[in-house]
Amino acid sequence: SAVISQKPSRDICQRGTSLTIQCQVDSQVTMMFWYRQQPGQSLTLIATANQGSEATYESGFVIDKFPISRPNLTFSTLTVSNMSPEDSSIYLCSVEAGAGDTQYFGPGTRLTVL
Amino acid sequence: GQSLEQPSEVTAVEGAIVQINCTYQTSGFYGLSWYQQHDGGAPTFLSYNALDGLEETGRFSSFLSRSDSYGYLLLQELQMKDSASYFCAVRDPRGGYQKVTFGTGTKLQVIP
Repeated sequence: SAVISQKPSRDICQRGTSLTIQCQVDSQVTMMFWYRQQPGQSLTLIATANQGSEATYESGFVIDKFPISRPNLTFSTLTVSNMSPEDSSIYLCSVEAGAGDTQYFGPGTRLTVL
Repeated sequence: GQSLEQPSEVTAVEGAIVQINCTYQTSGFYGLSWYQQHDGGAPTFLSYNALDGLEETGRFSSFLSRSDSYGYLLLQELQMKDSASYFCAVRDPRGGYQKVTFGTGTKLQVIP
């Protein structure tokens, strides 16, 4: 299993500013994933972050808007840049651990952009 | 691309059995997973089917038919705490890494 913490748990930000979300895992993992989830909706993968390489972004997400850092095997950050109200969402960090397809999720960061 | 369809909402009575279906269209497939998410909480892993058939874990069972691109989650002896959203998910082995795509989600309401 894996225990994941995220900071901040929630934030209210002004349009045009940036927010960096931190994700810390209690064990070393190869890949970390960043998801976005609108209230009442499913999870949408933003990008996959491997330690030591550039993050891989999904269609509709670009590095300039969502830069990701992965400095070591237990930590990653996601920055939401030049925010607009459309970026209001829950952002979740996730890792794979254990057998099969098990993914473990952090508690999420609830972002509101005014 | 990947698409996974689920019923948006299901209501069931406490103590009863409920089945949540998932149909998928994928370009690659390793297996079908199920996750539970309570309001305000993070998704938590429930089960995984790599092969056809039924997997049982306590009150929860999950079924997969790869030939039909179909699976379901079966919840028995429903409890009020089972009220949550349930997501199926598939792993796509494209591009040298394994991306997990989540279904549309089913909101289960358990009533007394």
